[in-house]
Amino acid sequence: DTGVSQDPRHKITKRGQNVTFRCDPISEHNRLYWYRQTLGQGPEFLTYFQNEAQLEKSRLLSDRFSAERPKGSFSTLEIQRTEQGDSAMYLCASSFQGESSYEQYFGPGTRLTVT
Amino acid sequence: DQQVKQNSPSLSVQEGRISILNCDYTNSMFDYFLWYKKYPAEGPTFLISISSIKDKNEDGRFTVFLNKSAKHLSLHIVPSQPGDSAVYFCAATTWISNFGNEKLTFGTGTRLTIIP
Repeated sequence: DTGVSQDPRHKITKRGQNVTFRCDPISEHNRLYWYRQTLGQGPEFLTYFQNEAQLEKSRLLSDRFSAERPKGSFSTLEIQRTEQGDSAMYLCASSFQGESSYEQYFGPGTRLTVT
Repeated sequence: DQQVKQNSPSLSVQEGRISILNCDYTNSMFDYFLWYKKYPAEGPTFLISISSIKDKNEDGRFTVFLNKSAKHLSLHIVPSQPGDSAVYFCAATTWISNFGNEKLTFGTGTRLTIIP
């Protein structure tokens, strides 16, 4: 396993269209996170899953956003009726819930441009 | 409300010298801190972490220092190498005190440039 993968790497869409991103975590990791990063900012937390359960959603995640992690493996993030303000890098990360240390490992991200 | 702050947007250091990147936080509930490095068009890469029960953690050329009373941490890189040129993010979480809630709160990053 070479790490967290995300698809697509780049997405250009017109305002009002729906988009879906996919994240495949490191196989033995039971936690999966979505973050959003805009220019000049650090990543901002959107939501996370433990196995298939979505445990927390940020206030940043409006009702146009939905995330799923069926069967506790890969995850999808869907944005409906995209707006120009949704343009950002969407990052996925995974981790293993351990007791001695804690790190999240990030994928390369999906860059979304809404025109 | 910026709970994790990196007040230096950029830093330039001569190759072979020490690079010191700083980070301040305001949330006293944070008890675990991480540094990530990010190259353009890539996701952040984990570098080193420290829990609040320690004040120093070392890994090769990288050392992180934590001053809980000042709510301040720093990353030291010595000696600095050209491949260290990247954006460095400080992140914090409430891992120990709130085991079920491990989202990371990031700073805005510091762009480190190593001058050959």
